Amino acid sequence: GAGVSQSPRYKVAKRGQDVALRCDPISGHVSLFWYQQALGQGPEFLTYFQNEAQLDKSGLPSDRFFAERPEGSVSTLKIQRTQQEDSAVYLCASSFRDRALWPLHFGNGTRLTVT
Amino acid sequence: SQQGEEDPQALSIQEGENATMNCSYKTSINNLQWYRQNSGRGLVHLILIRSNEREKHSGRLRVTLDTSKKSSSLLITASRAADTASYFCATLPSVNTDKLIFGTGTRLQVFP
Repeated sequence: GAGVSQSPRYKVAKRGQDVALRCDPISGHVSLFWYQQALGQGPEFLTYFQNEAQLDKSGLPSDRFFAERPEGSVSTLKIQRTQQEDSAVYLCASSFRDRALWPLHFGNGTRLTVT
Repeated sequence: SQQGEEDPQALSIQEGENATMNCSYKTSINNLQWYRQNSGRGLVHLILIRSNEREKHSGRLRVTLDTSKKSSSLLITASRAADTASYFCATLPSVNTDKLIFGTGTRLQVFP
């Protein structure tokens, strides 16, 4: 595709529900990043994949957060037993090469609201 | 936690004026990148400057990097209403990490 695609664009979940957020990176991009952005703040790193390997998950806030990229392309960020503090925009980004030595290409994000 | 602090937090100018945003960071870096974000959208890469570079230009954008002061600035010349957006600096630390760490952002409003 032409760019990074994220779905759904908006998600409303009741507290305690599980959610799954999808990211389709640019074809051929090796690196995939997930970021969380609270209102009025900069993006905060969650996790990083190089192909199918999750090399860094140090930014995941709790064990309720889980990310996977089983075939090295599409990635899913899953949040179990959602809490109100999980409300944020979740951004996915991909990059042609490893690490962030090259520019990141971002999707438009999924806005999650937990009620 | 966010490595970068941007200054000012918000900036309002008239079309045609120049806009300058500053970014300070804490640790040594491999590179520093500037991104732009329109309301409700993802971030768009503007420019990347490596730690051994001091200045870079791209169209109406000029970025400087001072590694001794751990700071960078983004200058947008001859601003347009379409430049209205939030601007973020992001750093890749030089230690072996994959995290691109974003600053807090500057919200720029350009009035026609």
